[in-house]
Amino acid sequence: GQQLNQSPQSMFIQEGEDVSMNCTSSSIFNTWLWYKQDPGEGPVLLIALYKAGELTSNGRLTAQFGITRKDSFLNISASIPSDVGIYFCAGLNYGGSQGNLIFGKGTKLSVKP
Amino acid sequence: DSGVTQTPKHLITATGQRVTLRCSPRSGDLSVYWYQQSLDQGLQFLIQYYNGEERAKGNILERFSAQQFPDLHSELNLSSLELGDSALYFCASTPRLAGGTGELFFGEGSRLTVL
Repeated sequence: GQQLNQSPQSMFIQEGEDVSMNCTSSSIFNTWLWYKQDPGEGPVLLIALYKAGELTSNGRLTAQFGITRKDSFLNISASIPSDVGIYFCAGLNYGGSQGNLIFGKGTKLSVKP
Repeated sequence: DSGVTQTPKHLITATGQRVTLRCSPRSGDLSVYWYQQSLDQGLQFLIQYYNGEERAKGNILERFSAQQFPDLHSELNLSSLELGDSALYFCASTPRLAGGTGELFFGEGSRLTVL
């Protein structure tokens, strides 16, 4: 089945640093999404990308949908302590049930004040 | 607050036992999804219901079953529990059956510990 390879698995950074994480797949997706899971909470959607090559920002977050439709990256600029959590990428194809969202295994981000 | 409510938040039980996890979706959402989150497995899709009917199945074990009731709440039943079933179980909901934005609204999860 389809799998997403998300890296890095974990990151320990200093407050103020920029962060970059990515997700790759062996197959194409029509939609790429990035979710964040705060400690003790369920995942929440951060950014959704619907077009190959699309670059979308949400505050300090920027995500891109790769041209090949097989990858996506998420950047966080000037990290702050509340950025701590697990970031998941997810891929979806049109017309499929949203239960067919394929999630990566997550990148756990720790931020030192 | 996503509007999705899950109970119980924490559950500790023994191997061989059976438990039921409950989910109330966001008001108006017809689709309910169940996910399992283990330490090293990320989010694994288990099953989806839409307006009372099963619509998609993922990696759900035969020992697990689910249903969605007429009032749209859903229950996930886990039986003959094993140590490896210890995990966070999330419910998520969306208004529609398919397509859409890919945005799932997740509850806070039910943490199951099997001893």
